[in-house]
Amino acid sequence: ETGVTQTPRHLVMGMTNKKSLKCEQHLGHNAMYWYKQSAKKPLELMFVYSLEERVENNSVPSRFSPECPNSSHLFLHLHTLQPEDSALYLCASSQDRAVAGGGVYEQYFGPGTRLTVT
Amino acid sequence: AQKITQTQPGMFVQEKEAVTLDCTYDTSDQSYGLFWYKQPSSGEMIFLIYQGSYDEQNATEGRYSLNFQKARKSANLVISASQLGDSAMYFCAMTPSRDNSGGGADGLTFGKGTHLIIQP
Repeated sequence: ETGVTQTPRHLVMGMTNKKSLKCEQHLGHNAMYWYKQSAKKPLELMFVYSLEERVENNSVPSRFSPECPNSSHLFLHLHTLQPEDSALYLCASSQDRAVAGGGVYEQYFGPGTRLTVT
Repeated sequence: AQKITQTQPGMFVQEKEAVTLDCTYDTSDQSYGLFWYKQPSSGEMIFLIYQGSYDEQNATEGRYSLNFQKARKSANLVISASQLGDSAMYFCAMTPSRDNSGGGADGLTFGKGTHLIIQP
Protein backbone atom coordinates (compact mmCIF):
# COMPACT_ATOMS: atom_id res chain seq x y z
CA GLU A 1 0.00 0.00 0.00
CA THR A 2 1.22 3.47 -0.79
CA GLY A 3 0.08 6.98 0.04
CA VAL A 4 -3.03 7.46 2.14
CA THR A 5 -5.71 4.78 2.26
CA GLN A 6 -9.22 4.98 3.66
CA THR A 7 -11.73 2.26 4.48
CA PRO A 8 -14.48 1.71 3.82
CA ARG A 9 -14.89 3.60 0.56
CA HIS A 10 -18.66 3.64 0.92
CA LEU A 11 -20.80 3.40 4.04
CA VAL A 12 -24.55 3.48 4.58
CA MET A 13 -25.69 3.69 8.17
CA GLY A 14 -28.84 4.37 10.10
CA MET A 15 -29.09 7.18 12.61
CA THR A 16 -28.83 4.79 15.55
CA ASN A 17 -25.81 2.89 14.29
CA LYS A 18 -22.22 3.15 15.45
CA LYS A 19 -19.50 2.87 12.83
CA SER A 20 -15.88 3.88 12.36
CA LEU A 21 -13.91 5.26 9.44
CA LYS A 22 -10.27 4.27 9.14
CA CYS A 23 -7.36 6.14 7.59
CA GLU A 24 -3.81 4.87 7.20
CA GLN A 25 -0.84 6.74 5.80
CA HIS A 26 2.31 5.09 4.45
CA LEU A 27 4.31 8.29 3.93
CA GLY A 28 6.13 8.55 7.24
CA HIS A 29 4.16 11.65 8.21
CA ASN A 30 3.24 12.63 11.75
CA ALA A 31 0.27 14.94 11.26
CA MET A 32 -3.16 13.74 10.16
CA TYR A 33 -6.43 15.49 9.34
CA TRP A 34 -10.13 14.81 8.86
CA TYR A 35 -12.11 16.93 6.39
CA LYS A 36 -15.81 16.84 5.49
CA GLN A 37 -16.98 17.58 1.95
CA SER A 38 -20.71 18.19 1.61
CA ALA A 39 -22.47 18.94 -1.64
CA LYS A 40 -22.13 22.56 -2.71
CA LYS A 41 -19.98 23.51 0.28
CA PRO A 42 -16.22 23.99 0.60
CA LEU A 43 -14.21 21.30 2.29
CA GLU A 44 -14.44 21.79 6.03
CA LEU A 45 -11.60 20.95 8.39
CA MET A 46 -12.84 18.79 11.25
CA PHE A 47 -9.84 17.62 13.26
CA VAL A 48 -6.06 17.94 13.24
CA TYR A 49 -3.66 15.58 14.97
CA SER A 50 0.04 16.33 15.33
CA LEU A 51 2.37 13.73 16.84
CA GLU A 52 -0.73 11.80 17.93
CA GLU A 53 -2.16 14.72 19.91
CA ARG A 54 -5.28 16.56 18.85
CA VAL A 55 -4.29 20.14 18.07
CA GLU A 56 -7.52 21.38 16.55
CA ASN A 57 -11.18 20.54 16.91
CA ASN A 58 -13.10 22.74 14.53
CA SER A 59 -16.38 22.98 16.47
CA VAL A 60 -17.42 19.50 15.39
CA PRO A 61 -20.45 17.90 17.09
CA SER A 62 -19.66 15.26 19.67
CA ARG A 63 -21.31 12.55 17.57
CA PHE A 64 -18.00 12.57 15.67
CA SER A 65 -15.14 11.22 17.79
CA PRO A 66 -11.60 11.03 16.39
CA GLU A 67 -8.86 8.70 17.54
CA CYS A 68 -5.19 8.68 16.59
CA PRO A 69 -3.48 5.65 18.19
CA ASN A 70 -0.19 6.22 16.35
CA SER A 71 1.21 8.48 13.65
CA SER A 72 0.14 6.14 10.84
CA HIS A 73 -3.51 5.58 11.77
CA LEU A 74 -6.48 7.85 12.25
CA PHE A 75 -10.06 6.85 13.01
CA LEU A 76 -13.33 8.72 13.01
CA HIS A 77 -15.93 7.07 15.25
CA LEU A 78 -19.51 7.85 14.33
CA HIS A 79 -22.63 7.50 16.47
CA THR A 80 -26.21 8.77 16.31
CA LEU A 81 -25.55 10.69 13.11
CA GLN A 82 -28.06 12.87 11.31
CA PRO A 83 -28.99 12.77 7.60
CA GLU A 84 -27.17 16.10 7.12
CA ASP A 85 -23.94 14.32 8.09
CA SER A 86 -24.06 12.50 4.76
CA ALA A 87 -20.91 13.61 2.93
CA LEU A 88 -17.52 12.58 1.62
CA TYR A 89 -15.05 12.29 4.51
CA LEU A 90 -11.46 12.85 3.49
CA CYS A 91 -8.36 12.01 5.46
CA ALA A 92 -5.02 13.71 4.83
CA SER A 93 -1.51 13.56 6.21
CA SER A 94 1.56 15.80 6.24
CA GLN A 95 4.73 16.42 8.13
CA ASP A 96 4.37 18.06 11.51
CA ARG A 97 5.63 21.63 11.60
CA ALA A 98 8.52 20.85 13.94
CA VAL A 99 9.71 17.92 11.83
CA ALA A 100 9.34 19.90 8.62
CA GLY A 101 11.35 22.78 10.10
CA GLY A 102 8.50 25.24 10.05
CA GLY A 103 6.97 26.83 6.98
CA VAL A 104 4.35 25.23 4.81
CA TYR A 105 4.05 21.58 3.85
CA GLU A 106 1.64 19.93 1.47
CA GLN A 107 -1.06 17.57 2.61
CA TYR A 108 -1.66 14.26 0.88
CA PHE A 109 -5.23 13.06 0.72
CA GLY A 110 -6.84 9.66 0.70
CA PRO A 111 -9.68 8.68 -1.67
CA GLY A 112 -12.36 9.41 0.92
CA THR A 113 -15.29 7.54 2.45
CA ARG A 114 -18.69 8.32 0.95
CA LEU A 115 -21.07 8.27 3.94
CA THR A 116 -24.85 8.12 3.64
CA VAL A 117 -26.95 8.42 6.76
CA THR A 118 -30.50 7.09 6.40
CA ALA B 1 -9.07 33.78 9.79
CA GLN B 2 -8.49 32.85 6.17
CA LYS B 3 -10.90 32.92 3.25
CA ILE B 4 -10.66 31.61 -0.30
CA THR B 5 -12.97 32.77 -3.09
CA GLN B 6 -13.37 30.96 -6.39
CA THR B 7 -15.85 32.83 -8.58
CA GLN B 8 -16.15 30.34 -11.45
CA PRO B 9 -18.51 27.49 -10.50
CA GLY B 10 -18.01 25.85 -13.89
CA MET B 11 -15.97 26.25 -17.07
CA PHE B 12 -16.05 24.65 -20.51
CA VAL B 13 -12.79 24.72 -22.47
CA GLN B 14 -11.80 23.26 -25.82
CA GLU B 15 -9.08 20.62 -25.73
CA LYS B 16 -5.55 21.98 -26.25
CA GLU B 17 -6.52 25.49 -25.18
CA ALA B 18 -5.02 27.14 -22.11
CA VAL B 19 -7.32 27.74 -19.16
CA THR B 20 -7.10 30.08 -16.16
CA LEU B 21 -8.93 29.26 -12.94
CA ASP B 22 -9.42 32.22 -10.64
CA CYS B 23 -8.66 32.32 -6.93
CA THR B 24 -8.59 35.25 -4.54
CA TYR B 25 -7.82 35.00 -0.86
CA ASP B 26 -7.97 36.97 2.34
CA THR B 27 -5.83 36.47 5.41
CA SER B 28 -4.34 38.35 8.32
CA ASP B 29 -1.27 36.13 8.33
CA GLN B 30 1.96 37.69 7.11
CA SER B 31 3.29 34.40 5.85
CA TYR B 32 1.19 31.72 4.20
CA GLY B 33 1.08 29.07 1.52
CA LEU B 34 -1.31 28.69 -1.40
CA PHE B 35 -2.21 25.37 -3.00
CA TRP B 36 -4.21 24.03 -5.90
CA TYR B 37 -5.76 20.57 -5.77
CA LYS B 38 -7.56 18.56 -8.45
CA GLN B 39 -10.46 16.30 -7.53
CA PRO B 40 -11.60 13.84 -10.24
CA SER B 41 -14.96 12.12 -9.99
CA SER B 42 -13.27 9.35 -7.98
CA GLY B 43 -13.04 11.78 -5.04
CA GLU B 44 -9.34 11.82 -4.23
CA MET B 45 -7.74 15.25 -3.82
CA ILE B 46 -4.58 15.43 -5.93
CA PHE B 47 -1.97 18.05 -5.12
CA LEU B 48 -1.01 20.13 -8.17
CA ILE B 49 1.08 23.14 -7.19
CA TYR B 50 2.20 25.26 -4.24
CA GLN B 51 3.16 28.93 -3.87
CA GLY B 52 4.70 30.47 -0.76
CA SER B 53 3.75 34.04 0.06
CA TYR B 54 7.41 35.11 0.08
CA ASP B 55 8.37 33.30 -3.11
CA GLU B 56 9.43 35.89 -5.66
CA GLN B 57 8.83 33.70 -8.68
CA ASN B 58 5.57 32.13 -9.75
CA ALA B 59 5.44 28.38 -9.19
CA THR B 60 5.39 26.00 -12.15
CA GLU B 61 4.84 22.24 -12.31
CA GLY B 62 4.75 20.83 -15.82
CA ARG B 63 1.61 22.14 -17.53
CA TYR B 64 0.50 23.92 -14.35
CA SER B 65 1.60 27.39 -13.34
CA LEU B 66 0.39 29.66 -10.59
CA ASN B 67 -0.07 33.35 -11.40
CA PHE B 68 0.59 34.87 -7.98
CA GLN B 69 -0.23 38.55 -7.52
CA LYS B 70 0.30 39.30 -3.85
CA ALA B 71 -0.91 42.89 -3.89
CA ARG B 72 -4.18 41.77 -5.46
CA LYS B 73 -4.37 38.69 -3.20
CA SER B 74 -4.88 36.44 -6.17
CA ALA B 75 -3.42 33.04 -7.00
CA ASN B 76 -4.80 31.91 -10.33
CA LEU B 77 -4.04 28.48 -11.75
CA VAL B 78 -3.06 28.31 -15.42
CA ILE B 79 -3.23 25.00 -17.26
CA SER B 80 -1.50 25.05 -20.62
CA ALA B 81 -2.55 22.81 -23.50
CA SER B 82 -5.56 21.33 -21.72
CA GLN B 83 -6.33 17.61 -22.07
CA LEU B 84 -9.53 15.61 -21.71
CA GLY B 85 -8.11 14.11 -18.51
CA ASP B 86 -8.00 17.57 -16.96
CA SER B 87 -11.79 17.50 -16.54
CA ALA B 88 -12.33 17.62 -12.76
CA MET B 89 -13.08 19.88 -9.81
CA TYR B 90 -10.25 22.25 -8.95
CA PHE B 91 -9.80 23.70 -5.49
CA CYS B 92 -7.69 26.59 -4.30
CA ALA B 93 -6.57 26.34 -0.67
CA MET B 94 -4.32 28.10 1.80
CA THR B 95 -2.68 27.60 5.17
CA PRO B 96 -0.64 29.85 7.44
CA SER B 97 3.10 29.51 7.51
CA ARG B 98 4.52 29.47 11.01
CA ASP B 99 7.90 28.86 12.51
CA ASN B 100 8.53 25.48 14.07
CA SER B 101 9.00 26.64 17.67
CA GLY B 102 5.69 25.26 18.79
CA GLY B 103 5.39 22.24 16.53
CA GLY B 104 1.89 21.30 15.49
CA ALA B 105 0.07 21.46 12.19
CA ASP B 106 -2.54 23.62 10.46
CA GLY B 107 -5.43 22.54 8.32
CA LEU B 108 -6.19 23.93 4.88
CA THR B 109 -8.90 26.46 4.10
CA PHE B 110 -10.53 25.64 0.78
CA GLY B 111 -12.59 27.56 -1.77
CA LYS B 112 -15.82 26.17 -3.22
CA GLY B 113 -14.05 24.92 -6.31
CA THR B 114 -14.40 25.22 -10.09
CA HIS B 115 -15.80 22.39 -12.19
CA LEU B 116 -13.65 22.29 -15.33
CA ILE B 117 -14.88 20.37 -18.36
CA ILE B 118 -12.57 19.90 -21.33
CA GLN B 119 -14.39 19.37 -24.59
CA PRO B 120 -12.91 17.51 -27.58
